[in-house]
Amino acid sequence: QKEVEQNSGPLSVPEGAIASLNCTYSDRGSQSFFWYRQYSGKSPELIMFIYSNGDKEDGRFTAQLNKASQYVSLLIRDSQPSDSATYLCALSGAGSYQLTFGKGTKLSVIP
Amino acid sequence: GAGVSQSPSNKVTEKGKDVELRCDPISGHTALYWYRQRLGQGLEFLIYFQGNSAPDKSGLPSDRFSAERTGESVSTLTIQRTQQEDSAVYLCASSLEARGELFFGEGSRLTVL
Repeated sequence: QKEVEQNSGPLSVPEGAIASLNCTYSDRGSQSFFWYRQYSGKSPELIMFIYSNGDKEDGRFTAQLNKASQYVSLLIRDSQPSDSATYLCALSGAGSYQLTFGKGTKLSVIP
Repeated sequence: GAGVSQSPSNKVTEKGKDVELRCDPISGHTALYWYRQRLGQGLEFLIYFQGNSAPDKSGLPSDRFSAERTGESVSTLTIQRTQQEDSAVYLCASSLEARGELFFGEGSRLTVL
């Protein structure tokens, strides 16, 4: 049974700061990792995915994966109030289609 | 359509009634998922369809839950004899070739009184 752990938060950061969201997982066979953003009352939307160890940058977002330590993180630079949302970590195993989601970390960016 | 479409957006029903939720995936997406999200909770996998393969029903919580999909088109999730614990948002998502990059619909909020 795959487990995905996230700090539920809320994580509060001031506007313009870097927000760091972390996720650990139990299954070493996990291959693909995803970050979804979910605004209150809305459905999740994909913001980043990462398959290989290291960093992947997309605009203000950077995903970091360390398979040896079984963690994946999301950094949001120059945080904006519009980034305030719950961030869900998700993963799947090799050849697997089934995504396992964490319970999410609630981020609040304070103006 | 441009995105995943779900209906109804809201459904209030009485305990013991049957409900049917519909999902219309993004055109060309072969994979379709149903998830459930209770208030303040994470996403709970229910069922997965991939093309014409047998669906993965491993997440369905009881035999009151069933789902169908015809080919690569619309899917219907049916909950029979609803219970109060079935109250949740039911999210449908589709994906191109089951790569994990899911596109979610806006969900169907079910309230069982």
